[in-house]
Amino acid sequence: DIQMTQSPSSLSASVGDRVTITCRTSQSISNYLNWYQQKPGKAPNLLIDAASSLQSGVPSRFSGSGSGTDFTLTISSLRPEDLATYYCQQSYSTPYTFGQGTKLEIK
Amino acid sequence: QVQLVESGGGLVKPGGSLRLSCAASGFTFNDYYMTWIRQAPGKGLEWVSYISSTSSYIKYADSVKGRFTISRDNANNSLYLQMNSLRAEDTAVYYCARSLGGTAANLFDPWGQGNLVTVSS
Repeated sequence: DIQMTQSPSSLSASVGDRVTITCRTSQSISNYLNWYQQKPGKAPNLLIDAASSLQSGVPSRFSGSGSGTDFTLTISSLRPEDLATYYCQQSYSTPYTFGQGTKLEIK
Repeated sequence: QVQLVESGGGLVKPGGSLRLSCAASGFTFNDYYMTWIRQAPGKGLEWVSYISSTSSYIKYADSVKGRFTISRDNANNSLYLQMNSLRAEDTAVYYCARSLGGTAANLFDPWGQGNLVTVSS
């Protein structure tokens, strides 16, 4: 199975800050990496697929990058509604695995 | 709009069985693979199983293989997860999700609201 390591596991930032979350995989997965946002008490929602392709309706302050084993989710200017836990997921091979999540808090 | 609504969760004793259902609407159900994903309380996400549009291709996570059975009824736009020999570690919110990515079924959008399954004596 492909292991996923997300960092940090939690982070606190202020409105307007630039936030970066990283995801590392145990083997190369090309760009088969997706990001999900899970707001408190809700189901996850797909933000980005194929490492950098923003889903329709997702604000442009979100962006993704990376390939191989190292990936990044960036929020360019944090807003209060970005309070959530963010998960990376590899879509390279089954079993499809997720990172442990990054809980983002607003200062 | 695309909507997935799960039902059938609840409290069950270890060794017991439960059947989850997922009702789909707002899209052509029989065009898509479907997937179950679970989340233990306060924990991360775990892919459980997927099923192809015609039920010809099915995969399971090792943690549930031999105990869980995924199925679908395209006439009624419904997805199911039959869970047998349940264990305490199966306690989780179970989500159904539409699978994207063609036959790889490797992308999940959207997800249902989730349904809690608690395995406890």
